[in-house]
Amino acid sequence: AQSVAQPEDQVNVAEGNPLTVKCTYSVSGNPYLFWYVQYPNRGLQFLLKYITGDNLVKGSYGFEAEFNKSQTSFHLKKPSALVSDSALYFCAVRDPAGNTPLVFGKGTRLSVIA
Amino acid sequence: DARVTQTPRHKVTEMGQEVTMRCQPILGHNTVFWYRQTMMQGLELLAYFRNRAPLDDSGMPKDRFSAEMPDATLATLKIQPSEPRDSAVYFCASGFYPGTGNTEAFFGQGTRLTVV
Repeated sequence: AQSVAQPEDQVNVAEGNPLTVKCTYSVSGNPYLFWYVQYPNRGLQFLLKYITGDNLVKGSYGFEAEFNKSQTSFHLKKPSALVSDSALYFCAVRDPAGNTPLVFGKGTRLSVIA
Repeated sequence: DARVTQTPRHKVTEMGQEVTMRCQPILGHNTVFWYRQTMMQGLELLAYFRNRAPLDDSGMPKDRFSAEMPDATLATLKIQPSEPRDSAVYFCASGFYPGTGNTEAFFGQGTRLTVV
């Protein structure tokens, strides 16, 4: 069965500093990996995905994520954090081998401090 | 701007009452998901449909929850009778999965349900 772990419930970073939100996954075969962001009282918004190809994926709002197969990780990164990046971030995985839906991690709350 | 539309946005109801949540998926999407979000459990998949047929509803308490797609433009999630532990935010999401399913799912704004 596929699963996702987001080891940090909360990440705090100063504005202008780089940020990393961690994600590790477990799936048989090659995974499809996704990052979503949720702002207060809103639905989840798609940020980026890894399907195949270049391990570094670029997405919306200056975010990027690096797929590392040997470490089964897909960490979300941004070179310079903004206060407006403060939100709840979800990593998700899908096993392309079957008719399976996205499985989400528990989420990481990012707080960017001015 | 295509989006998933959920109604109502907020619902407060008394224990034992029936609750119906509605979702209009993005036109052309063939797969619809229902997720529930709580502080304790995070995002849980309740059920999902492809081409209006239920593929998996194992995440739902069968005795009180039911999910249907009467047509391609409407998905419903019903709770009868509702209980306080059902209080959560319920999200509908849709996507187009042409076999490989490498596309993302698009989420609605959610229905915040409070059962008192």
